Amino acid sequence: GAVVSQHPSRVICKSGTSVKIECRSLDFQATTMFWYRQFPKQSLMLMATSNEGSKATYEQGVEKDKFLINHASLTLSTLTVTSAHPEDSSFYICSASPRLGETQYFGPGTRLLVL
Amino acid sequence: QQQVKQSPQSLIVQKGGISIINCAYENTAFDYFPWYQQFPGKGPALLIAIRPDVSEKKEGRFTISFNKSAKQFSLHIMDSQPGDSATYFCAASMRTGYSTLTFGKGTMLLVSP
Repeated sequence: GAVVSQHPSRVICKSGTSVKIECRSLDFQATTMFWYRQFPKQSLMLMATSNEGSKATYEQGVEKDKFLINHASLTLSTLTVTSAHPEDSSFYICSASPRLGETQYFGPGTRLLVL
Repeated sequence: QQQVKQSPQSLIVQKGGISIINCAYENTAFDYFPWYQQFPGKGPALLIAIRPDVSEKKEGRFTISFNKSAKQFSLHIMDSQPGDSATYFCAASMRTGYSTLTFGKGTMLLVSP
């Protein structure tokens, strides 16, 4: 199956700082990548759809100025949590599809803890 | 509005038993139904998926049963093993567009030795 990686796997930061999370498709090109957020013992919540070369599409209620998404190439999308606060602490997971309408493959996730 | 309802929320099965997780959907435009397995601290991994043109799909110990008229689908894990203990999510999507997945709330499965 297709492989998606994320970096870092976990990060601890101070309140007010910004954190960047990278998502890479290792063996396929991904025109579209997805960013999810997952709280403990809950389901995945789609935050935004990242499109290569264009602006991301954010889900209702997700602050686009706080969660900056850049999809600069067909294999890399980044999520930057700006001015992070403790309530942003969560498990962030990206996914990608090799083709539109096909299976999404998920990255291993990034655990963010904001102190 | 939750578009994919998953049950049960948690499930305990003895080793060697059959684990059954059910999902129901509302949007008739959905035509792709994957199941994901997630271990603690890891991302979800695709387990098995089905499209509505078949009523059943089997891969090893894992089987999806699909009932289009009832808008329901289920995951059966045969000969459940302790290593199957994980959280399982059903999902649904449309093949057109960006293939956004709508997830169920998940089922925590514990297989006792």
